[in-house]
Amino acid sequence: NAGVMQNPRHLVRRRGQEARLRCSPMKGHSHVYWYRQLPEEGLKFMVYLQKENIIDESGMPKERFSAEFPKEGPSILRIQQVVRGDSAAYFCASSPRDSSGYEQYFGPGTRLTVT
Amino acid sequence: TQLLEQSPQFLSIQEGENLTVYCNSSSVFSSLQWYRQEPGEGPVLLVTVVTGGEVKKLKRLTFQFGDARKDSSLHITAAQPGDTGLYLCAGDGGPGYKLTFGKGTLLTVNP
Repeated sequence: NAGVMQNPRHLVRRRGQEARLRCSPMKGHSHVYWYRQLPEEGLKFMVYLQKENIIDESGMPKERFSAEFPKEGPSILRIQQVVRGDSAAYFCASSPRDSSGYEQYFGPGTRLTVT
Repeated sequence: TQLLEQSPQFLSIQEGENLTVYCNSSSVFSSLQWYRQEPGEGPVLLVTVVTGGEVKKLKRLTFQFGDARKDSSLHITAAQPGDTGLYLCAGDGGPGYKLTFGKGTLLTVNP
């Protein structure tokens, strides 16, 4: 399966703990996007990264959230000191280049539950 | 801020019926994509429309992009239970990377 891979699929954290979500893009894709889906809401853009660069993080909360896409390895979305409001499904998507004319392909998501 | 309104929000029909769902905005999009999402899974891309007035067909699904590139529709002919899912439209307002999603239409096709 050469699709976008995300792990873990489900993650339970207590308030105050850290959550690390991983995303491996499709083979040949160098652009990664993170979206969050809250109950009763649509998917919301969080951050757009290329290898070793954050291109646009305008959708990320200013505090506690960070993302990276290192030269080697998966993209990581990190949430520090999680709160109950962080409970959501987090999706990663990838594209071969800037999505103008190129679609984004989504992974299966990580469901984060904060207790 | 670009917004996409999808209607109806919920739709429950019998197998064999036809249906249309809509995706509307006051903003112009350079392209618009339709996805289907099943419970516990990520959105799966169905189609991308780029040109105003464009019509694309995918088996029993017909997608249309409005002439002004502000709206789109998805028509399903002879719906089947396997069509059940959340249908999402997403607009690419340019420069391209930030997709704006509608809240979706939850379709249930009863056998």
